[in-house]
Amino acid sequence: AQRVTQPEKLLSVFKGAPVELKCNYSYSGSPELFWYVQYSRQRLQLLLRHISRESIKGFTADLNKGETSFHLKKPFAQEEDSAMYYCALSGKAAGNKLTFGGGTRVLVKP
Amino acid sequence: GAGVSQSPRYKVAKRGQDVALRCDPISGHVSLFWYQQALGQGPEFLTYFQNEAQLDKSGLPSDRFFAERPEGSVSTLKIQRTQQEDSAVYLCASSLDEEQFFGPGTRLTVL
Repeated sequence: AQRVTQPEKLLSVFKGAPVELKCNYSYSGSPELFWYVQYSRQRLQLLLRHISRESIKGFTADLNKGETSFHLKKPFAQEEDSAMYYCALSGKAAGNKLTFGGGTRVLVKP
Repeated sequence: GAGVSQSPRYKVAKRGQDVALRCDPISGHVSLFWYQQALGQGPEFLTYFQNEAQLDKSGLPSDRFFAERPEGSVSTLKIQRTQQEDSAVYLCASSLDEEQFFGPGTRLTVL
């Protein structure tokens, strides 16, 4: 069975401080990993995916297959980063359906 | 262009009523997904369509839940004899490849 775990429900950091959101997964096969973000009163949207290996809004995430992790990092948090963040995985064997973690709320304080 | 739209945005139903939730995907998107998001949790997969074919309905919680996409575009999720535990946000997403585009969701409250 595939599973995604986000151990932190809430992360509170000050503006300019680094932020790291943890994500661990279990999946039999080669998963595709994603981070989705939901800003206040907006719809869920893709932030980044591991296959693109790009940085979006200063965020990066590295897939560590040995530790089955896909942690999201940003060196200098901004107030506009305050949002709900969901880690998700999919796989061809699962028909590309997404399995989400429980989400982490990030609050960036001024 | 227009994104995924869902209607109604909010629905209040009395326990035992039937409800129908609509999803208009992005034009040309072959794949369509329904998810259920309970309060304080991440979205959970319900069902998946490729064009008009329902290829996976393993996430539907009971036989009271039924989804269709008869012409391979608009989809409807129907819940019969609603129960309080059905209260949640129902999300629809469409895709051409790996990236899924989500609608705003329908918040269903069952009293």
